[in-house]
Amino acid sequence: KAGVTQTPRYLIKTRGQQVTLSCSPISGHRSVSWYQQTPGQGLQFLFEYFSETQRNKGNFPGRFSGRQFSNSRSEMNVSTLELGDSALYLCASSSRVRRANTGELFFGEGSRLTVL
Amino acid sequence: AQSVTQLDSHVSVSEGTPVLLRCNYSSSYSPSLFWYVQHPNKGLQLLLKYTSAATLVKGINGFEAEFKKSETSFHLTKPSAHMSDAAEYFCVVSSNNAGNMLTFGGGTRLMVKP
Repeated sequence: KAGVTQTPRYLIKTRGQQVTLSCSPISGHRSVSWYQQTPGQGLQFLFEYFSETQRNKGNFPGRFSGRQFSNSRSEMNVSTLELGDSALYLCASSSRVRRANTGELFFGEGSRLTVL
Repeated sequence: AQSVTQLDSHVSVSEGTPVLLRCNYSSSYSPSLFWYVQHPNKGLQLLLKYTSAATLVKGINGFEAEFKKSETSFHLTKPSAHMSDAAEYFCVVSSNNAGNMLTFGGGTRLMVKP
């Protein structure tokens, strides 16, 4: 079974630009979550999607947005990039969305964004 | 609100000696607790999970963790370190009504000396 696939793996943008990152979950997984990882702030939750609906959202500005398609693939977008958006963006998928079974996530290797 | 504190940012052990990575949590609800591992330039992998069943949880690669409610701790241990254990380890908490919204600790980098 193929794992979680994130594209692109590396990208460089300049301040003010926008970026779109893509995530293909494990086949059959309907929940997709996004996390931002930086040396200063660590791992922070961005948002979670299930069946094309946003279920949870972290404490990030509106410049960060996402969506999920009917095939469970997900994209996240960051507009008007700032230097502080430089980070590793991790996508995770899960087959478990019931209360007692959440938290078991399968992570991709991430998209490393550098903003100059 | 929930939070996780990993008490050591770096731990160094010799190969073959025990590993102890410390974690304290705070949660308003009955928490689910996890340990994830991240090898360099890789995504995170689930090591083990506690969800209110047995307090001693066994995970992959010989790791285990003990949930101690009175101490609000969930320390990760392994009897004998292997060179391949060198990685960053994250203690994670989730409340039952938070879905897959996880709160991560700051991480502990484990170094294993030959």
